[in-house]
Amino acid sequence: QVQLVQSGAEVKTPGASVKVSCQASGYTFTGSYMNWVRQAPGQGPEWLGWINPNTGGTNYAQKFQGRVTMTRDTSINTAYMELSRLKSDDTAVYYCARERTHYSALDIWGQGTMVTVSS
Amino acid sequence: QSALTQPASVSGSPGQSITISCTGTSSDVGAYKYVSWYQQHPDKAPKLMIYEVSNRPSGVSNRFSGSKSGNTASLTISGLQAEDEGDYYCSSYTSTSTLFGTGTKVTVL
Repeated sequence: QVQLVQSGAEVKTPGASVKVSCQASGYTFTGSYMNWVRQAPGQGPEWLGWINPNTGGTNYAQKFQGRVTMTRDTSINTAYMELSRLKSDDTAVYYCARERTHYSALDIWGQGTMVTVSS
Repeated sequence: QSALTQPASVSGSPGQSITISCTGTSSDVGAYKYVSWYQQHPDKAPKLMIYEVSNRPSGVSNRFSGSKSGNTASLTISGLQAEDEGDYYCSSYTSTSTLFGTGTKVTVL
């Protein structure tokens, strides 16, 4: 079945970087854009950006420009999101989510990866 | 860009209908057909319920329906059931990003 499986929870200190992976299965990985969304405790979702797995092209939310990098490895159907210069308010669950069609909606979500930033 | 505005909470009795609003601007909700709705249960990932304003993905109950008028989109849940309890978020495409709503907690009385 179509699914996205993410890497496990991370604990980081302020100023460090974190890299979260998202392995896709059950569909053509290069055929759908992959988005990254985060959700801080008790808050609503926040969009970080997307990557086109076919071309590697990216579009990042202005808020995260310069701190976020999205990449992919098509040989293993995996997308990555790296966030640098972590702060305490980056503590959140990070999700990868597949676009149904470009711009349309996010129809398949990973299980989420908890990233905790604490000194 | 600010989050889309939703009521903090909506409640209803089993069998009733409820409607959740999602207010944006002429640059997001009012400009595009790309409004979607997500249901989220505690400690779970969001689940797509409505895409492109009023379309239901396969497997989503026809008790869920969506609409849009101007800068405001709406999600209606008919025949409310206990399993519908949870958080609901709207989302809209903009020319440069994707926005989410502030979220609505649905309680089944």
